Amino acid sequence: DAKTTQPNSMESNEEEPVHLPCNHSTISGTDYIHWYRQLPSQGPEYVIHGLTSNVNNRMASLAIAEDRKSSTLILHRATLRDAAVYYCILRGNFGNEKLTFGTGTRLTIIP
Amino acid sequence: DSGVTQTPKHLITATGQRVTLRCSPRSGDLSVYWYQQSLDQGLQFLIQYYNGEERAKGNILERFSAQQFPDLHSELNLSSLELGDSALYFCASSVLQAQGVNEQFFGPGTRLTVL
Repeated sequence: DAKTTQPNSMESNEEEPVHLPCNHSTISGTDYIHWYRQLPSQGPEYVIHGLTSNVNNRMASLAIAEDRKSSTLILHRATLRDAAVYYCILRGNFGNEKLTFGTGTRLTIIP
Repeated sequence: DSGVTQTPKHLITATGQRVTLRCSPRSGDLSVYWYQQSLDQGLQFLIQYYNGEERAKGNILERFSAQQFPDLHSELNLSSLELGDSALYFCASSVLQAQGVNEQFFGPGTRLTVL
């Protein structure tokens, strides 16, 4: 599985945007970029995914570099509830569904 | 609430013993995944089942086994337990289709403590 690199930790002020970076220089053409997060004492939850184009959903936005070697998860207005470990994961689609978690980025929200 | 249920929530047992963890997937999901989360190894994929058949295998020890039953619930059996097996065990489920994100929905986990 291709590897991803994320900062170990980040801090952000409440109600401000947060940009969580992820490097994946060995990404293959068929790899999707997935983001999951794990809130304290809970199982991981899906946030967003993309292939080539930028994506938006109710939780976040995903900006993907043109060469696909990096991506950024954007939380537009962080709340205390967004404090979690965020995982950037490369995954094929049908036929290779397992998630390979790295160490993720621990996001702390400052009130 | 993801719709995935896991029992028990907590399990405390002794080395050498055998335990069974149970998972009920979301209604309609045919695929079940098991993951282990420990302090030193992080979150690791163990095994995946699809409609009763093993579909993918990860870093699952030979002492561990799993199965998925006709009603789609799954069990993870851990035997000859060692101190290092102490971890959180998560079950996830997904629809699994050729098209679509195949998002995985995770249960709340079972915390296993081996003394």
